[in-house]
Amino acid sequence: SQQGEEDPQALSIQEGENATMNCSYKTSINNLQWYRQNSGRGLVHLILIRSNEREKHSGRLRVTLDTSKKSSSLLITASRAADTASYFCATGANSKLTFGKGITLSVRP
Amino acid sequence: ETGVTQTPRHLVMGMTNKKSLKCEQHLGHNAMYWYKQSAKKPLELMFVYSLEERVENNSVPSRFSPECPNSSHLFLHLHTLQPEDSALYLCASSSSRTSGPKYFGPGTRLLVL
Repeated sequence: SQQGEEDPQALSIQEGENATMNCSYKTSINNLQWYRQNSGRGLVHLILIRSNEREKHSGRLRVTLDTSKKSSSLLITASRAADTASYFCATGANSKLTFGKGITLSVRP
Repeated sequence: ETGVTQTPRHLVMGMTNKKSLKCEQHLGHNAMYWYKQSAKKPLELMFVYSLEERVENNSVPSRFSPECPNSSHLFLHLHTLQPEDSALYLCASSSSRTSGPKYFGPGTRLLVL
């Protein structure tokens, strides 16, 4: 299975701190995607990183990919209370994305 | 707002009822998806439509019946559901199915009694 597994399951930090979330997967991938889901809402696509990329930035988000370790990390810098949400990594090709169970991030004001 | 809307947002139904979930997008996307999200489980892909043709049916029980009358609308018809079908049902869309789901609706929270 190409299912991604996020780590940790839950993370609680103080506003202003950085949050690092990890994702591991089992088989070779073409790309890996990160999504955010606010409580009771749909998922929002954050970033896609291709297998030939090692790092990608989008605003306060930084994603790394290590294909040799089959892992990715999502770093949120200078976190805000509004970053409180669940974060999912997804792997797979085309429409056959498989999602992990997600990481619950709580940012305390 | 992502541009993908879903109605109703909440639904309670008995096991003998028939109901339908509706999804709508006016983003000009050609691919639409239904996902099921249950507590403490990964998101499960149910159906994928590309250009109004069903291209993926992920072993979903026949009590769930999708319908895509045009590229902007997607329905999920429900009948004789079970309590374990209670979940958040998410619709998503993308410009093409090769990119995977990009924009998700807010979901319909379904409770089957």
